[in-house]
Amino acid sequence: SAVISQKPSRDICQRGTSLTIQCQVDSQVTMMFWYRQQPGQSLTLIATANQGSEATYESGFVIDKFPISRPNLTFSTLTVSNMSPEDSSIYLCSASGPSFGGAEAFFGQGTRLTVV
Amino acid sequence: EDQVTQSPEALRLQEGESSSLNCSYTVSGLRGLFWYRQDPGKGPEFLFTLYSAGEEKEKERLKATLTKKESFLHITAPKPEDSATYLCAATNAGNMLTFGGGTRLMVKP
Repeated sequence: SAVISQKPSRDICQRGTSLTIQCQVDSQVTMMFWYRQQPGQSLTLIATANQGSEATYESGFVIDKFPISRPNLTFSTLTVSNMSPEDSSIYLCSASGPSFGGAEAFFGQGTRLTVV
Repeated sequence: EDQVTQSPEALRLQEGESSSLNCSYTVSGLRGLFWYRQDPGKGPEFLFTLYSAGEEKEKERLKATLTKKESFLHITAPKPEDSATYLCAATNAGNMLTFGGGTRLMVKP
């Protein structure tokens, strides 16, 4: 398995500001992902964080709003830019790769974001 | 387009009352079918991976099975601490993970 550390665990932010969420994995991984989870809903993939290149975004998510960095094989950040109350959600980092032994993905504890 | 559908959306059980959660999937080139447990305010916790039809995995009171169209998570004699949301997800040939909507399980003492 893997240990995925995500911070901050929660934050309350003013609209119009930006928040950067960090994700650290305890081993090198091939793939890292960022998800959003609205209250009572399942997970929606925002983007795949690619090491050494631009992230691959899913339909409905754009780089200007959710810039992602992945400087190495164990670390990634997601920034939520120019926040509005509609961005209030839980943001989850996930990782998978051969070092975990199988095809499964593991998750961080999530960042609960409230925009006021 | 890949789809994963879970049923029921919510399930209330008495302690000791066994039941099953269903996960139906339509995925091109299935690489793996996964079950996760999620407690409120936490990230999903990995439970099982199933790779091929006929495969079964067990962990304590939980057993996951897989057919060519669906997966079941059987819960035997559940306890209140089994209360959580159970998520099913599938990975296709391109390593894209698709989640179902989840089943909220509540086990009453």
